Amino acid sequence: QSVLTQPPSVSAAPGQKVTISCSGSSSNIGNNYVSWYQQLPGTAPKLLISDNNKRPSGIPDRFSGSKSGTSATLGITGLQTGDEADYYCGTWDSSLSAGVFGGGTKLTVL
Amino acid sequence: QVQLQESGPGLVKPSETLSLTCTVSGGSVSSGSYYWSWIRQPPGKGLEWIGYIYYSGGTKYNPSLKSRVTISVDTSKNQFSLKLSSVTAADTAVYYCAREQGTTINSWGQGTLVTVSS
Repeated sequence: QSVLTQPPSVSAAPGQKVTISCSGSSSNIGNNYVSWYQQLPGTAPKLLISDNNKRPSGIPDRFSGSKSGTSATLGITGLQTGDEADYYCGTWDSSLSAGVFGGGTKLTVL
Repeated sequence: QVQLQESGPGLVKPSETLSLTCTVSGGSVSSGSYYWSWIRQPPGKGLEWIGYIYYSGGTKYNPSLKSRVTISVDTSKNQFSLKLSSVTAADTAVYYCAREQGTTINSWGQGTLVTVSS
């Protein structure tokens, strides 16, 4: 059981937009920055979004992040087949004094 | 650009201690800007944060693993290490070392699969 809650799967057609939600509490998302990671099959996770909405160098602007209260959202526009991956949200939990992740969301581009 | 590489046995017997080392290149574990972390992923499952160490030796551990985990750093070798004691099959996972800044893990190793089996 993950501390952060994500939908197990989402799907959309190529070229469309999809959003992935991440729900937490005041001890984690509510008072800390959220990051998003992309894990392509058989590879290590890669940072997509930091500090709620910042894209590292090299990440296309098709990827965006937002946060409101105790929830965060990853948005992906102009979906490509190469975007098929598992996506994880992560942050710090001040009550646990530990890093926490969502359970991951599998994106299928139909 | 920093690179991290995990090394250690791929097979550990139940009740024994899992030991992994992460070698950092292109950056220094002595940098005061980062924490050096371990994260694991059981086969087919999600990510679990194990803990981190600061260059000065300060540590934070996942409460669910705290009694069995030790993370240490060797600044002379630019390495940090993970020890997980009394392992069971539930500890079978891909173990990643990583660099953490604030609440963000901005660099990951490629990961190494550790199987717990007799």
